[in-house]
Amino acid sequence: GAVVSQHPSWVICKSGTSVKIECRSLDFQATTMFWYRQFPKQSLMLMATSNEGSKATYEQGVEKDKFLINHASLTLSTLTVTSAHPEDSSFYICSARDLRSVNTEAFFGQGTRLTVV
Amino acid sequence: RKEVEQDPGPFNVPEGATVAFNCTYSNSASQSFFWYRQDCRKEPKLLMSVYSSGNEDGRFTAQLNRASQYISLLIRDSKLSDSATYLCVVSPLSGTYKYIFGTGTRLKVLA
Repeated sequence: GAVVSQHPSWVICKSGTSVKIECRSLDFQATTMFWYRQFPKQSLMLMATSNEGSKATYEQGVEKDKFLINHASLTLSTLTVTSAHPEDSSFYICSARDLRSVNTEAFFGQGTRLTVV
Repeated sequence: RKEVEQDPGPFNVPEGATVAFNCTYSNSASQSFFWYRQDCRKEPKLLMSVYSSGNEDGRFTAQLNRASQYISLLIRDSKLSDSATYLCVVSPLSGTYKYIFGTGTRLKVLA
């Protein structure tokens, strides 16, 4: 199946700093990528839909100025957590779909475990 | 009401047992349905898609009831390696194709 690579797999940062997470589709072009957040023992919650060449679409309650999304190419989307606080500590996962394919399966990156201290 | 609801479990079953998970969804416009498996601290991995006619993949059987907006997953002859969280996922076929995840059902298969 298709491969989505996410980097870094884990990061520890100080409160107030910014962290950038990258999501790459390695063998297909992803016009749309999705960013999720998962807190312990909870489900994946969609944060935003990242659209290549245009602004991301954020879900209700997600601050677009805090979670900056850039999707400058068909294979790369980035999520930047700005001015991180301990409550932002979570597991962030991206996913991508090859919308040219009839297969509707989404492929997930390995996830990034963010700890803000 | 949540868009996708699952019993969080945990389901503790002995090896070799048959176990069934259920999931209900609220959006009747949902068109694609999946079961994903998530191991602790890992990303979700596709277990199987769910088709209207029902489908089977080895020990796993998935069923969809559109009228009741209900999806099920049956695991036969449980293995220790089946221990994981099983996520029910629904998605519209058009628009952004975004996935909506259930909270997941934890399964622990005991030796």
